[in-house]
Amino acid sequence: KAGVTQTPRYLIKTRGQQVTLSCSPISGHRSVSWYQQTPGQGLQFLFEYFSETQRNKGNFPGRFSGRQFSNSRSEMNVSTLELGDSALYLCASSILARDNEQFFGPGTRLTVL
Amino acid sequence: GNSVTQMEGPVTLSEEAFLTINCTYTATGYPSLFWYVQYPGEGLQLLLKATKADDKGSNKGFEATYRKETTSFHLEKGSVQVSDSAVYFCGLIITGNQFYFGTGTSLTVIP
Repeated sequence: KAGVTQTPRYLIKTRGQQVTLSCSPISGHRSVSWYQQTPGQGLQFLFEYFSETQRNKGNFPGRFSGRQFSNSRSEMNVSTLELGDSALYLCASSILARDNEQFFGPGTRLTVL
Repeated sequence: GNSVTQMEGPVTLSEEAFLTINCTYTATGYPSLFWYVQYPGEGLQLLLKATKADDKGSNKGFEATYRKETTSFHLEKGSVQVSDSAVYFCGLIITGNQFYFGTGTSLTVIP
């Protein structure tokens, strides 16, 4: 069974630009969550999508948005990039089960110059 | 609310030393508890989990016991190896809710 895939793996953008990151969950997984990981802040929850609906949302500004498609693939968009948006963005998928184990992708490393 | 508090690092140990990384939680319901590990340059991998009180999760020599009375899920290993050097994240989830992670503890094991 293929794991969670994220594209692209690395991205360099400049301030003010916008970026779209993609995540393909494990087949059969309907929940997709996004996290931002930085050395100073650790792992911070961005949002979670389930069946094309945003179910949970973290404390990030409106510049961060996402969506989920009918095949459970998800995209995350960041508009008007700031230097502080440089981070590793992780996507995780899970099935709807009691323990809800999350399976993580390798991440997209975003650098904002 | 729900939250996870994890021992701050970094932690540096000699090979074969005993490891404990403390993790405590607050939860509004009945959470499942997890430890994830992140090796350099990689995403997070599940290390072990426990879904109810008194359950013990174990994997690769690591163990953690779900202690409801102390709201804790401390990670232990009797003898660490250089290959255990990584960042360890404690986490919890309540069904239908988001996943909550601790801030991560960096472990370096020196030969």
